[in-house]
Amino acid sequence: AQSVTQLDSQVPVFEEAPVELRCNYSSSVSVYLFWYVQYPNQGLQLLLKYLSGSTLVKGINGFEAEFNKSQTSFHLRKPSVHISDTAEYFCAVSERVQGAQKLVFGQGTRLTINP
Amino acid sequence: DVKVTQSSRYLVKRTGEKVFLECVQDMDHENMFWYRQDPGLGLRLIYFSYDVKMKEKGDIPEGYSVSREKKERFSLILESASTNQTSMYLCASTPGGNYGYTFGSGTRLTVV
Repeated sequence: AQSVTQLDSQVPVFEEAPVELRCNYSSSVSVYLFWYVQYPNQGLQLLLKYLSGSTLVKGINGFEAEFNKSQTSFHLRKPSVHISDTAEYFCAVSERVQGAQKLVFGQGTRLTINP
Repeated sequence: DVKVTQSSRYLVKRTGEKVFLECVQDMDHENMFWYRQDPGLGLRLIYFSYDVKMKEKGDIPEGYSVSREKKERFSLILESASTNQTSMYLCASTPGGNYGYTFGSGTRLTVV
């Protein structure tokens, strides 16, 4: 079974600074990876996904992530953050189980932006 | 846009009660899922369904059951609620493949 580890439970940064949220997954022959964001009191929203092709994936709100097969990582980055990016971020890997594509989530990283 | 609607945002129930959490999606998606979310543990899969009347256990099914009588509706049932089932419950749906999930806004359940 797949597993996902998000290496930081909390990341505080100042507004307009760059940020990287780290994610490692367990190795597999083929892997599909996702980042989701959860704003306070809301459900999860898809930020970006890697299925195949270019290892640099661009998502919404200026976020991007790089798939690194040799290091089994899928780190999320943004060059300059806003107060509005304060949220919890979840990395997930997809695996096929019993006719459905199941997502396995990491523990989450709480990103706090300070003015 | 696909909508996934969870019937209640907040629920307070007593220990031992039978609890129903309802989820409805409006885009004819094949697959539906129930997760619970707890601080420091991320999202853990309780049950999922890939077709009407089909259901499969996830990683933490104990104490829960599900029902999918119609394609658009997926219900989570707590047979006898306990305090350790106090949590945020999230429903999601997907057409299949690797499109990613669409999530509902969640139901925060407190069992007292």
